[in-house]
Amino acid sequence: GDQVKQSPSALSLQEGTNSALRCNFSIATTTVQWFLQNPRGSLMNLFYLVPGTKENGRLKSTFNSKESYSTLHIRDAQLEDSGTYFCAAESTGNTRKLIFGLGTTLQVQP
Amino acid sequence: EAAVTQSPRNKVAVTGGKVTLSCNQTNNHNNMYWYRQDTGHGLRLIHYSYGAGSTEKGDIPDGYKASRPSQENFSLILELATPSQTSVYFCASGDAGLGGWEQYFGPGTRLTVL
Repeated sequence: GDQVKQSPSALSLQEGTNSALRCNFSIATTTVQWFLQNPRGSLMNLFYLVPGTKENGRLKSTFNSKESYSTLHIRDAQLEDSGTYFCAAESTGNTRKLIFGLGTTLQVQP
Repeated sequence: EAAVTQSPRNKVAVTGGKVTLSCNQTNNHNNMYWYRQDTGHGLRLIHYSYGAGSTEKGDIPDGYKASRPSQENFSLILELATPSQTSVYFCASGDAGLGGWEQYFGPGTRLTVL
């Protein structure tokens, strides 16, 4: 968790509002993945990023490798967006392993 | 349709017993991984594999073995299970993406060691 720090650790949003989650990295990384763990426990792939920005529906994510951070923006939050969001940095070198943050738990309220 | 499957989905074992967790992927990915998820630690890498016949130690390999008999299958073996190994275990497969390796996860196995 120290190498990949996520903030905030928990967040409550009203339906229809916007927010941003952040990951800060203290390790060198070439790619970042964002996942949503739903209440059943499944990890769903949201974004796989090289430096730059991607958008998918109400979600947009940016990876800034020079400043070692990534953000996930949620627009017009819906109830089904509730769950725990994880970012993971791919370590450099041969192992290609992911180093995960501790997650941001999001609760969207009606 | 699920590309990464795990079995069993839930398991209760006794201390000192042998436990085998199985993972199958239909992505034809070379790389496969085993992680465990614990509150306060996030997901941590136990073992991984570059292909059939290969197994490598991850960050927390003690108490675990792995086996990759084929491209599709990757098992995690607890020879002598202990209560500290109670956790949720995730298998993943990975393939080359833009400048790196994107990983896809199975649904998880909840293991309780009594």
